[in-house]
Amino acid sequence: DTEVTQTPKHLVMGMTNKKSLKCEQHMGHRAMYWYKQKAKKPPELMFVYSYEKLSINESVPSRFSPECPNSSLLNLHLHALQPEDSALYLCASSLPGLAARLKSTDTQYFGPGTRLTVL
Amino acid sequence: GENVEQHPSTLSVQEGDSAVIKCTYSDSASNYFPWYKQELGKRPQLIIDIRSNVGEKKDQRIAVTLNKTAKHFSLHITETQPEDSAVYFCAASSVYAGGTSYGKLTFGQGTILTVHP
Repeated sequence: DTEVTQTPKHLVMGMTNKKSLKCEQHMGHRAMYWYKQKAKKPPELMFVYSYEKLSINESVPSRFSPECPNSSLLNLHLHALQPEDSALYLCASSLPGLAARLKSTDTQYFGPGTRLTVL
Repeated sequence: GENVEQHPSTLSVQEGDSAVIKCTYSDSASNYFPWYKQELGKRPQLIIDIRSNVGEKKDQRIAVTLNKTAKHFSLHITETQPEDSAVYFCAASSVYAGGTSYGKLTFGQGTILTVHP
């Protein structure tokens, strides 16, 4: 299995709703990432988890709350979002550290994304 | 932090022509340079990558060159086809720098490539 999957594909929510995005990979990767992408712009890094521990938080507002319950799953909990948070949310994964160096691969594989609309 | 500049922002070519997209980076510690292709509504997909110990890499119609001294790298697509039309992103990363176990990618702003039949 060489895929990163994300659910749901589309999500419409109001500013007072609470929702979650889910990402899953079964490639044995131990680094997982959340990106936000606006139309015609590059992906912007939000969070990085390495070995299920939060390693990077790129000063993301607290209305976005990441969670990594195990090595295959990554969630992004959403609460009290703003219309400007509407975007494509991408998950990615990669082999971490020594394993990647030994295999000479540190490629980040992206999921298909969740298209989020905040009304 | 790292800064990646990508040019041109749009590129229009005729089918069969070559296309070249150029990127420059600022951090001399960067050692990994992937290129992603993103079709409308789809995920970014890796098409080729190069590491700092290599000057050139080729995969069929796609090639990437790296000049570490000048801190720039380029994507070359030969014999372009309409299905090559997409947004292309370059990126740079100092993978596993400082003993970290992940790579932090910094993306260029993207190039919209249109191949006319």
